[in-house]
Amino acid sequence: GAVVSQHPSRVICKSGTSVKIECRSLDFQATTMFWYRQFPKQSLMLMATSNEGSKATYEQGVEKDKFLINHASLTLSTLTVTSAHPEDSSFYICSAREFSNTEAFFGQGTRLTVV
Amino acid sequence: DQQVKQNSPSLSVQEGRISILNCDYTNSMFDYFLWYKKYPAEGPTFLISISSIKDKNEDGRFTVFLNKSAKHLSLHIVPSQPGDSAVYFCAASARSGGSNYKLTFGKGTLLTVNP
Repeated sequence: GAVVSQHPSRVICKSGTSVKIECRSLDFQATTMFWYRQFPKQSLMLMATSNEGSKATYEQGVEKDKFLINHASLTLSTLTVTSAHPEDSSFYICSAREFSNTEAFFGQGTRLTVV
Repeated sequence: DQQVKQNSPSLSVQEGRISILNCDYTNSMFDYFLWYKKYPAEGPTFLISISSIKDKNEDGRFTVFLNKSAKHLSLHIVPSQPGDSAVYFCAASARSGGSNYKLTFGKGTLLTVNP
């Protein structure tokens, strides 16, 4: 399958700081990227959908000013957690899709710990 | 309200036997279903999918069965191998709903295959 690379795999940050997570499609152009969050023993919860060159569409209950998503190119999307708090600690996963009728492939995930 | 339900949080089987993972859904608009496998601290890996126009799809040791009237699907793995031990997520989407079809995930089932 296609390769989606997510970086960093782990990050620890202090409360009040911002953290940027990158998601890259390595061998295809991702017209759409999705950002998920997973709490322990829970399902993957979709946070937002972004199309290249457009503003992201956020799911209900997700603060767009807190979770900034940028999809400036067909191979890169970033998620910035602004003014992070301990309750933002979670596993964040991106997925990328080339066309609307193709499978979405997932990155390796990022474990964010806010102390 | 959880639209995709995996009621068994865990399943344990012997190597060589069949593993059956179940998934139920409530949204009748879902017309495409997928199974993903996930190891700890990694992103999900696509396994197999099925469209609502089919009732069975097979790929090697993996077979997915769909019962639309019961809104139920299952993943069969036979023969099960220790390397199959992972969390399996069922996901569903409404592809006819537009190009930005989103995946809705269940909570996952932890499969343990014992040697």
